[in-house]
Amino acid sequence: EVQLLESGGGLVQPGGSLRLSCAVSGFTFSDYAMSWVRQAPGKGLEWVSIEGGSGGSTHFADSVKGRFTISRDNSKNTLYLQMNSLRVDDTAVYYCARDRHCGGGTCTGDSAFQYWGQGTLVTVSS
Amino acid sequence: QLVLTQSPSASASLGASVKLTCTLSGGHSTYAIAWHQQQPEKGPRYLMKVNSDGTHTKGDGIPDRFSGFSSGTERYLTISSLQSEDEADYYCQTWAPGIRVFGGGTKLTVL
Repeated sequence: EVQLLESGGGLVQPGGSLRLSCAVSGFTFSDYAMSWVRQAPGKGLEWVSIEGGSGGSTHFADSVKGRFTISRDNSKNTLYLQMNSLRVDDTAVYYCARDRHCGGGTCTGDSAFQYWGQGTLVTVSS
Repeated sequence: QLVLTQSPSASASLGASVKLTCTLSGGHSTYAIAWHQQQPEKGPRYLMKVNSDGTHTKGDGIPDRFSGFSSGTERYLTISSLQSEDEADYYCQTWAPGIRVFGGGTKLTVL
């Protein structure tokens, strides 16, 4: 069974930092790109970032570029999102999602998010 | 620019059918999209991928009541025999190199 479990959310002051984790099981983590998606209270889904794995690179939404970094540890089957210079409008539930297959240096298939985590809430407030 | 447009709301009666629409921006008529369902207070759940040729591939455990098809730049999600648990927000999603895009979502009310 595929499982994605986010953690690391919490309350942080504006300008602060937080690191989110997404622990994965049920598939070969190193073979897949992974994305972060967020949802502000009462709003829709917003793609944040992708970690392309062995076959791809990292990309960010303009709203977080230069403030957030994404990384992974394949030995721990874990995806990370380092969030710096946090702003009030970064307040959201953050989800990780499995992206396309990127194994052996080549990406194939599509980027429909077939699996999602349950989310972790980040609140930026003074 | 790759953009997905959805109507903010839709409604249909219990037991009836409904069709939700996701429109791709011009020049992107060959793009596939994915549909996701988000029930109240829950995370998103993948429903299916809909290709430009009208074929669709559903996620594990998605009932036959859910289907998808395409026409031009429009991608559709149809739900038949509506049940109370179908009341949810529905998002379409697409992708291009270096970017993933969501529509604004449609809130479906089952009357």
